[in-house]
Amino acid sequence: ETGVTQSPTHLIKTRGQQVTLRCSSQSGHNTVSWYQQALGQGPQFIFQYYREEENGRGNFPPRFSGLQFPNYSSELNVNALELDDSALYLCASSLVHTAESIQYFGAGTRLSVL
Amino acid sequence: GENVEQHPSTLSVQEGDSAVIKCTYSDSASNYFPWYKQELGKGPQLIIDIRSNVGEKKDQRIAVTLNKTAKHFSLHITETQPEDSAVYFCAASRDTGGFKTIFGAGTRLFVKA
Repeated sequence: ETGVTQSPTHLIKTRGQQVTLRCSSQSGHNTVSWYQQALGQGPQFIFQYYREEENGRGNFPPRFSGLQFPNYSSELNVNALELDDSALYLCASSLVHTAESIQYFGAGTRLSVL
Repeated sequence: GENVEQHPSTLSVQEGDSAVIKCTYSDSASNYFPWYKQELGKGPQLIIDIRSNVGEKKDQRIAVTLNKTAKHFSLHITETQPEDSAVYFCAASRDTGGFKTIFGAGTRLFVKA
């Protein structure tokens, strides 16, 4: 186990709703990254948070937003859910915010949008 | 836009044979290239990585090579075992102008006993 925990494990929402996913980092890690993994695809980078500030963002619209708290845990918020948002959402924590810092992934939250 | 192409999408080998997975990246600013193994119901797990100033790295049965000029990198698994069966992802990461990482689409490896 990586020590990265995500909640909830599964979630069902309807189109237009809002959702919040949560992630607890591995102890000692100050950086959290979020990914979207559609079925049969590779993870797509959403954004990274380092010391409560966004440190990089992928090609996702503003309705995907995040927060990192002083204890380095993190939330991913998605507004105005669309059917295509159905995916596995992965959180990864790392010791520092550089590209070479190993990322440890949680098991993910599976979101279904109906 | 920036992308990482990964081949093959599916690979079936006999136990004991070698498996090779190849990736090509487009972002010249990429400086770190990890490989992940993902098993059913789990998140990706790092199995080996290589930095941009290194051409080759080996860890027991796993090796990775990087050709920065051609923007190619490859994963080699020797003496495959049934427990190597999983989905493997390559990725290219950078932190110039903010962190960014791009994953390949994955290779499903089957190792037949």
